[in-house]
Amino acid sequence: EDQVTQSPEALRLQEGESSSLNCSYTVSGLRGLFWYRQDPGKGPEFLFTLYSAGEEKEKERLKATLTKKESFLHITAPKPEDSATYLCAVGDTYKYIFGTGTRLKVLA
Amino acid sequence: KAGVTQTPRYLIKTRGQQVTLSCSPISGHRSVSWYQQTPGQGLQFLFEYFSETQRNKGNFPGRFSGRQFSNSRSEMNVSTLELGDSALYLCASSLAKGPFGNEQFFGPGTRLTVL
Repeated sequence: EDQVTQSPEALRLQEGESSSLNCSYTVSGLRGLFWYRQDPGKGPEFLFTLYSAGEEKEKERLKATLTKKESFLHITAPKPEDSATYLCAVGDTYKYIFGTGTRLKVLA
Repeated sequence: KAGVTQTPRYLIKTRGQQVTLSCSPISGHRSVSWYQQTPGQGLQFLFEYFSETQRNKGNFPGRFSGRQFSNSRSEMNVSTLELGDSALYLCASSLAKGPFGNEQFFGPGTRLTVL
């Protein structure tokens, strides 16, 4: 069965303390791995798409990487405004499967 | 460019009633997907529509239905509401069908509360 697991469930960081979020997946026929950011009461905001192992993408303090079994979202020198829930999703042939997210809190 | 819009934003209903939610995708996007988000289950896929046709459906009872119009706008209907239907319902649009190469862009959601 296709499955996406994110860890940790919650993470508290001091401002400037870099860390990584993990997304591991099992899917038959990966059609893309997607990262989203979701603020409370809002819809998810698209961040990155990764298609093949070894691929990396960056945006400001965020960097996403992909292997054959997992993806990492690296956050470098985070700021309080990076506090949000980060969602990972994989695409198979017909649908997207979402993880339950990592709730990130960055303290000033 | 306008994003995905959903109406209404908030809704309170009682058990047994029915509800219709609306979604207008980004201009030019032809695929609309619906999701249910709850604290315990995360985002659960409901269905996807492309060119007025339902392409795929998630594991939800028949009380959940949807449709898409020729202008790509979509509606979702839930009949005979149950307490467990309380959730944030999210609509996402993308350019083409299927996940490959298709980033999804989400609306703000409709918060449904069933009393």
